[in-house]
Amino acid sequence: ETGVTQSPTHLIKTRGQQVTLRCSSQSGHNTVSWYQQALGQGPQFIFQYYREEENGRGNFPPRFSGLQFPNYSSELNVNALELDDSALYLCASSRGLAGARETQYFGPGTRLLVL
Amino acid sequence: RKEVEQDPGPFNVPEGATVAFNCTYSNSASQSFFWYRQDCRKEPKLLMSVYSSGNEDGRFTAQLNRASQYISLLIRDSKLSDSATYLCVVPNQAGTALIFGKGTTLSVSS
Repeated sequence: ETGVTQSPTHLIKTRGQQVTLRCSSQSGHNTVSWYQQALGQGPQFIFQYYREEENGRGNFPPRFSGLQFPNYSSELNVNALELDDSALYLCASSRGLAGARETQYFGPGTRLLVL
Repeated sequence: RKEVEQDPGPFNVPEGATVAFNCTYSNSASQSFFWYRQDCRKEPKLLMSVYSSGNEDGRFTAQLNRASQYISLLIRDSKLSDSATYLCVVPNQAGTALIFGKGTTLSVSS
């Protein structure tokens, strides 16, 4: 086990609703990254938080937003849900600003279905 | 060229076979590379890191060719438990994000 936890494990929402997904990082890790994985695709980078500040963002619209807390846990918020938002949402924790060059540890993911 | 591109799958092989996956990447400045394994409906898990010309771990060998910008993963003596999707991964230039290929699915049968 990586020590990275995510909640909830599964979620069903309808179009237009808002959702909040949560992630607790591995002990000692101060960087959390969020990825979206659609069926049959590799994970796509949404954004990264380092010490409570956004430290990079992928090609996702502003309705995808996030937070990181002093204990380095993190939230992903998605507003105005669309059908295409249905995916597995993964968070990964690591150390440092350039954490992607080191090992990132993934949580089990939250599977979101938008109807 | 896509940032990270992998062999299309699926690969269906019998137990004991040797199978190789290839991956190409577009950023010539990349210094680190990874292979992740993802089981059905699970999170990706790091299989191997590749920082120089190659890396070997038991039945698994990863090789890097910087001149041609490709990485390969060789699996020898395939086991049923090797059935999974293998993701080729390269960090972006800033080191803030992992860029994943679409993955190659391996199915090992008895």
